[in-house]
Amino acid sequence: NAGVMQNPRHLVRRRGQEARLRCSPMKGHSHVYWYRQLPEEGLKFMVYLQKENIIDESGMPKERFSAEFPKEGPSILRIQQVVRGDSAAYFCASSPGGAPPLHFGNGTRLTVT
Amino acid sequence: GQQLNQSPQSMFIQEGEDVSMNCTSSSIFNTWLWYKQEPGEGPVLLIALYKAGELTSNGRLTAQFGITRKDSFLNISASIPSDVGIYFCAGHSNSGAGSYQLTFGKGTKLSVIP
Repeated sequence: NAGVMQNPRHLVRRRGQEARLRCSPMKGHSHVYWYRQLPEEGLKFMVYLQKENIIDESGMPKERFSAEFPKEGPSILRIQQVVRGDSAAYFCASSPGGAPPLHFGNGTRLTVT
Repeated sequence: GQQLNQSPQSMFIQEGEDVSMNCTSSSIFNTWLWYKQEPGEGPVLLIALYKAGELTSNGRLTAQFGITRKDSFLNISASIPSDVGIYFCAGHSNSGAGSYQLTFGKGTKLSVIP
């Protein structure tokens, strides 16, 4: 499968737990982006990473949220101490360079109970 | 921050009809993209536009990059049931704060009546 792979597709967490979302970019792509989508809304930028570097995290909340893209393995979006307002679909996208077009995965739907 | 106004919010059309939707921005973009999203899936790229005035087709879809670089439209001709979904425009600027970000519209929800 040559597309952007995200897992899990669905994730349920209780308030206060941690959520870890994974993204493997398309083959040959070294640039990863995370976006969040609320129901009936467009996608909102969170963070842009290259291998081992965070380039732009201006859309990501300063507390509880972190992202990494290690030299080996997938990119991880981590949400600590989740709250109900974190419930959303989280999409990962990749590109070969820093410019569009971006190719999106099928997302992880996080539900916080 | 940058904002995109996408219209209409939703459309109900008869199969076979043509569809038009558009996006306008308060600021200039260097790239316009159109995506389609179906329930439970991620956005799928339909058309990418890189130059002001550019008109690009992809099958029954045609999109244009406005001359002012502040707007774009997407047309779908002879709609079919599988065109159902939410269509998003997205703009990208090469410079300034957030130059790596795509700014998305809120989407146009298309329903096709067979």
